[in-house]
Amino acid sequence: QSTLTQPPSVSAAPGQRVTISCSGISSNIANNFVSWYQLLPGTAPKLLIFDDNKRPSGIPGRFSGSRSGTSATLDITGLQTGDEAEYYCATWDSSLSTGGFGGGTKVTVL
Amino acid sequence: QVQLVQSGAEVKKPGASVKVSCKASGFSFSSYFMHWVRQAPGQGLEWMGIINTSDGGTRYAQKFQGRVIMTRDTSTSTVYMEVSSVRSEDTAVYYCARDLGAAAGHAFDIWGQGTMVTVSS
Repeated sequence: QSTLTQPPSVSAAPGQRVTISCSGISSNIANNFVSWYQLLPGTAPKLLIFDDNKRPSGIPGRFSGSRSGTSATLDITGLQTGDEAEYYCATWDSSLSTGGFGGGTKVTVL
Repeated sequence: QVQLVQSGAEVKKPGASVKVSCKASGFSFSSYFMHWVRQAPGQGLEWMGIINTSDGGTRYAQKFQGRVIMTRDTSTSTVYMEVSSVRSEDTAVYYCARDLGAAAGHAFDIWGQGTMVTVSS
C-alpha cells in the first residue's frame, strides 16, 4: 500500500491547466526529492520531472513541479489532447530505504 | 544509444519461478543502480527493489522480501529479477529502470520496454 496519495483523476479543457497533488509523510517527501512520470497505455513510463522541479531534456516547459513540506505538485499548463495519460509521483523513504510511487492520477482532456 | 532491453513475455503456472533480464547499453553499467517496478492489470506502478550494479547489494520492498531476488552480471551489463512461487497476483508488466542517483532522489530516467508475465494454470 502506497504512502504517497494522489487524486484518482483530474480533468480540464484543452489549453487549460491541471494540478496534480502528491501527499506523503515526513520520512519520504519531506526529506527526499520527488519525481514525476507519465504513463501512456502500452508504453513504458517516461520521466517528466526529477529533483522536484527539473525537466529532462526534451520535456516541454508546460510541465513543472514543486515540493513543500510533505506534499508535491505537478502542474501541466496549455493542456493538449496528447497529455491524456496517467501520472505518478515517486520518492524515496529514508526510514525504510525503499522507493515508492503514488497511486496514479488519470488526466482527461475534455 | 542509452537503452535497456528486456527479455520477452513469459507464461508461468502458479508455484513456478520466473526470471526476467534487462540488458543495458550505451552507458557505464556499474556506475548506476537499477530498479525493478511492476504494473498489474488495472493497477498502478509498484516499486519492487533496487540493486547496486557495482557490488550486487540489494534492497527489496517488504512485500517482496524472501520471494524476489535481483542479481547482475557485469560482464554482460545485465540485471536479472527472479520471482519465486508465483501466483495469479504476480501477473503484471515488469520494468527495469536506471537510477539517476541518490542526489536526485533515486529518480528513474531510463526504462526498459517492459516484460509481460502471465501466471495462469
